[in-house]
Amino acid sequence: GAGVSQTPSNKVTEKGKYVELRCDPISGHTALYWYRQSLGQGPEFLIYFQGTGAADDSGLPNDRFFAVRPEGSVSTLKIQRTERGDSAVYLCASSLMQDNEQFFGPGTRLTVL
Amino acid sequence: GENVEQHPSTLSVQEGDSAVIKCTYSDSASNYFPWYKQELGKGPQLIIDIRSNVGEKKDQRIAVTLNKTAKHFSLHITETQPEDSAVYFCAAIFTGGGNKLTFGTGTQLKVEL
Repeated sequence: GAGVSQTPSNKVTEKGKYVELRCDPISGHTALYWYRQSLGQGPEFLIYFQGTGAADDSGLPNDRFFAVRPEGSVSTLKIQRTERGDSAVYLCASSLMQDNEQFFGPGTRLTVL
Repeated sequence: GENVEQHPSTLSVQEGDSAVIKCTYSDSASNYFPWYKQELGKGPQLIIDIRSNVGEKKDQRIAVTLNKTAKHFSLHITETQPEDSAVYFCAAIFTGGGNKLTFGTGTQLKVEL
């Protein structure tokens, strides 16, 4: 079946702008995760959804970052007033509710000029 | 705090040789340890995982071993092939950390002809 998909694959924006990144999880997966990966580093956790609610948002770096999952499937990561330091690859993963195996999408490469 | 250390950072082997990547973790109560392979421009791909109730798991040319007493786990790739060249990440889920993965810093594996 289809894996995790993310759009757009690349996003270039200017400092101070607002961006939205979208994630479509594997069908039937109730858990959804967002991670951020800087060049040469491992992914770092941002936020985790179980169904529609954010079960753990401890990884969000500040209040400019926000994520939603209104119907328990697609999720959107929103970044306000982008800064150059926000440039990274944003990865989404999903897993079955009771299963720890997380499957990742291809990521969105965000560049803030 | 929660931490996963990974080494080496780079590894070069001849085709057909074995490759071993090692990780150590800080929380003795961790119970899930996946390994991911990431190719350039792609998201991490789950290749094998191990849970704390077993000491070793194999899948064709790939094996993972876990030593809970020493708090380390290793990835073993036998009969390496050029297509094994990629960045490999170990990860762990820490007790009390929800379902979020904490990643190592990655190992760039190069399989030379």
